[in-house]
Amino acid sequence: DSGVTQTPKHLITATGQRVTLRCSPRSGDLSVYWYQQSLDQGLQFLIQYYNGEERAKGNILERFSAQQFPDLHSELNLSSLELGDSALYFCASSSIGLDTGELFFGEGSRLTVL
Amino acid sequence: KNQVEQSPQSLIILEGKNCTLQCNYTVSPFSNLRWYKQDTGRGPVSLTIMTFSENTKSNGRYTATLDADTKQSSLHITASQLSDSASYICVVSSNAGNNRKLIWGLGTSLAVNP
Repeated sequence: DSGVTQTPKHLITATGQRVTLRCSPRSGDLSVYWYQQSLDQGLQFLIQYYNGEERAKGNILERFSAQQFPDLHSELNLSSLELGDSALYFCASSSIGLDTGELFFGEGSRLTVL
Repeated sequence: KNQVEQSPQSLIILEGKNCTLQCNYTVSPFSNLRWYKQDTGRGPVSLTIMTFSENTKSNGRYTATLDADTKQSSLHITASQLSDSASYICVVSSNAGNNRKLIWGLGTSLAVNP
């Protein structure tokens, strides 16, 4: 158990809909990262937050947005969903900066868009 | 262009045998190199993190090597077990001032058969 909690574990929805994925980092970790992993693909970095502020941005679509709340949990909002958005979405947390902090991953949220 | 390439793409070995996975990178400036194990449908778990000055690092039956001159790393698995069946991902951290990022390889899919 990494200590990172993601909900929901599974989500099935239709094209055009909007969903919210939630992540609770390990106790004390200030950084939260979101990754997307499509079938048989590598992990794609979406976005990072550090102590409530956006720290780094990857290949995140404009239809996607995220935020980190004062209690350090984070939410990833996916809107106007398309079939290609079906993927595993992972959240990871670390205590400090990217180049020194080990990343701890949650078990992921599997999104299926029909 | 910053890239991480892993080989082989997939590998099948018999239980009890050893194997070596390769990682070549063209990432600059280099900060550290990580190996992750990802079981199917689950979040990646860190095996090792190696900095520029570290040549070898072990974690149980896993031994990672790093040659910063040739920009190559390997992950050696000794006396493989069925539970070693997973994807092994090489990740290189780049630290260019305020622009810090992780460059992910696509992974090597390892199957350990009885």
